[in-house]
Amino acid sequence: DAKTTQPPSMDCAEGRAANLPCNHSTISGNEYVYWYRQIHSQGPQYIIHGLKNNETNEMASLIITEDRKSSTLILPHATLRDTAVYYCIVRVGSGNTGKLIFGQGTTLQVKP
Amino acid sequence: NAGVTQTPKFQVLKTGQSMTLQCAQDMNHEYMSWYRQDPGMGLRLIHYSVGAGITDQGEVPNGYNVSRSTTEDFPLRLLSAAPSQTSVYFCASKQGPSGEQFFGPGTRLTVL
Repeated sequence: DAKTTQPPSMDCAEGRAANLPCNHSTISGNEYVYWYRQIHSQGPQYIIHGLKNNETNEMASLIITEDRKSSTLILPHATLRDTAVYYCIVRVGSGNTGKLIFGQGTTLQVKP
Repeated sequence: NAGVTQTPKFQVLKTGQSMTLQCAQDMNHEYMSWYRQDPGMGLRLIHYSVGAGITDQGEVPNGYNVSRSTTEDFPLRLLSAAPSQTSVYFCASKQGPSGEQFFGPGTRLTVL
């Protein structure tokens, strides 16, 4: 089973920041937190990942708490095209496995 | 680069028929995986490979076989299709255990 907990759905106004929370209380020290999203009927798309430091790229920011038991994905200026299911994933296994187990995700609805 | 390609895009089978879902990537990635996604669900890992000649089972391997004879190709075989295998199948690849995972466009399979 996936080792993350996310709210099933969230709404966000267009142009505002979308903050998507994720709990991963059983994460171990060498496991990364990944975020992917899936726009309707398409294959999932990588967004960002991190270990313990906050990360930022052109799509989003990832804030990981100091104890690493939770994280937040931030889309700074959400647009209608950001409407999607967002998956928070903890990398399972170590060494050469690196499997990604997907949970139910959060459906983000960006509204005009 | 074409990225990750999957064929066919759609397929209808009768119970008991066999078929192979094709997946290819041109990014020289070591890791390849197969996932299935059922309506309203997240992705579930079927099988994965960390290199040519090496495969392993994921969460839901029963009813599926894989092989990895080349770096580029990772076909998924259904030996005797069942209605429970009706799903959307995604193939993915990545360079290393902590890298970004690239997904194909998916194959929509219906088993009658």
